Amino acid sequence: KQEVTQIPAALSVPEGENLVLNCSFTDSAIYNLQWFRQDPGKGLTSLLLIQSSQREQTSGRLNASLDKSSGRSTLYIAASQPGDSATYLCAVRGNTPLVFGKGTRLSVIA
Amino acid sequence: GAGVSQTPSNKVTEKGKYVELRCDPISGHTALYWYRQSLGQGPEFLIYFQGTGAADDSGLPNDRFFAVRPEGSVSTLKIQRTERGDSAVYLCASSVNKGSAEAFFGQGTRLTVV
Repeated sequence: KQEVTQIPAALSVPEGENLVLNCSFTDSAIYNLQWFRQDPGKGLTSLLLIQSSQREQTSGRLNASLDKSSGRSTLYIAASQPGDSATYLCAVRGNTPLVFGKGTRLSVIA
Repeated sequence: GAGVSQTPSNKVTEKGKYVELRCDPISGHTALYWYRQSLGQGPEFLIYFQGTGAADDSGLPNDRFFAVRPEGSVSTLKIQRTERGDSAVYLCASSVNKGSAEAFFGQGTRLTVV
């Protein structure tokens, strides 16, 4: 059974810092990995999708990497801003529909 | 539509009542998913549709939960004899297909059973 773990559970950083969120998964037989953002009381916004054959994807200040063989992904956020404050969720898709971690709650302090 | 639409956004119901939650996926998306999210947790899979048929309903917690997608577009999640433990945010997602396609989520329906 696929299990997804996200570390840390919560993170508070001053504005302007670069930061890394970690995601690990137990079954490396995946089709893709997706990072989402969730604001309080809201749905999920897709940030980046990495196919199993890819090593990384970039969108603006966000960069996600994937090491499928070791079951790890990182989300790198450059020059963090208060507007980046949210919960970030990692999810993997294999033979089962998306399996999610519990998320990392990020606070960027102005 | 432009995105996945879920209605209602909020639903308060009394214990024992029946509720229906609606999901309108992105036009042309054949795959549709229902998830449930409790406070402080990641979304948990409930059921997946490919077209009109439920391809995987292994996440439904018990027989009080049922979902349909009769025309391969809009889906309804139905909960009978609601219990306080059913209180959660119910999320719907759609994708072009099941395989490697990106999943897009709606804003969710917050269900509160009192």
